[in-house]
Amino acid sequence: GIQVEQSPPDLILQEGANSTLRCNFSDSVNNLQWFHQNPWGQLINLFYIPSGTKQNGRLSATTVATERYSLLYISSSQTTDSGVYFCAVERSASGTYKYIFGTGTRLKVLA
Amino acid sequence: SAVISQKPSRDICQRGTSLTIQCQVDSQVTMMFWYRQQPGQSLTLIATANQGSEATYESGFVIDKFPISRPNLTFSTLTVSNMSPEDSSIYLCSVEDGQTDTQYFGPGTRLTVL
Repeated sequence: GIQVEQSPPDLILQEGANSTLRCNFSDSVNNLQWFHQNPWGQLINLFYIPSGTKQNGRLSATTVATERYSLLYISSSQTTDSGVYFCAVERSASGTYKYIFGTGTRLKVLA
Repeated sequence: SAVISQKPSRDICQRGTSLTIQCQVDSQVTMMFWYRQQPGQSLTLIATANQGSEATYESGFVIDKFPISRPNLTFSTLTVSNMSPEDSSIYLCSVEDGQTDTQYFGPGTRLTVL
């Protein structure tokens, strides 16, 4: 099956720093999403981005589908950005659609 | 966006018992999904539940262990049967917005099996 690897696995930042999180996938996909799981376990959808670039405030994401990777940029990080970031890719198989989650990047932002 | 609630939010259960987790959505959705997140791990898809048909299980998950019901377009249940400590995880339901293809998650059920 498709493999979804994220890097780095762990990241510690000082408040105000910028960072780039990477998601590599081993096969072509129909869709890709980025999620943030906060320290209480709630998963929040950040971006639906099968290709191209999107921005939402301090966050932006770029997916290059032909090269099988996506990047999530966090600028001017805040302590509330702490948590785990997942990318998830969707593949269709025999008419069914499902998302496969990546390995995750655990981010801690220090005040 | 969809608003999803799950019950219970957490539970501590004894080995050999079963627990049924409920997932309620505030709008009608075609596809609902159940995931498991073991401690410190990523999310693993258990099954896809579509209304009016049997759930489709992923490799490594079977109906006898994780029976799923989907009686209507806003509700689903997942039962974790004959539990063992290895079943201790967070169980999450999610739905896909048919218009935007965006996936939304419930708050999860944190299960501890003793």
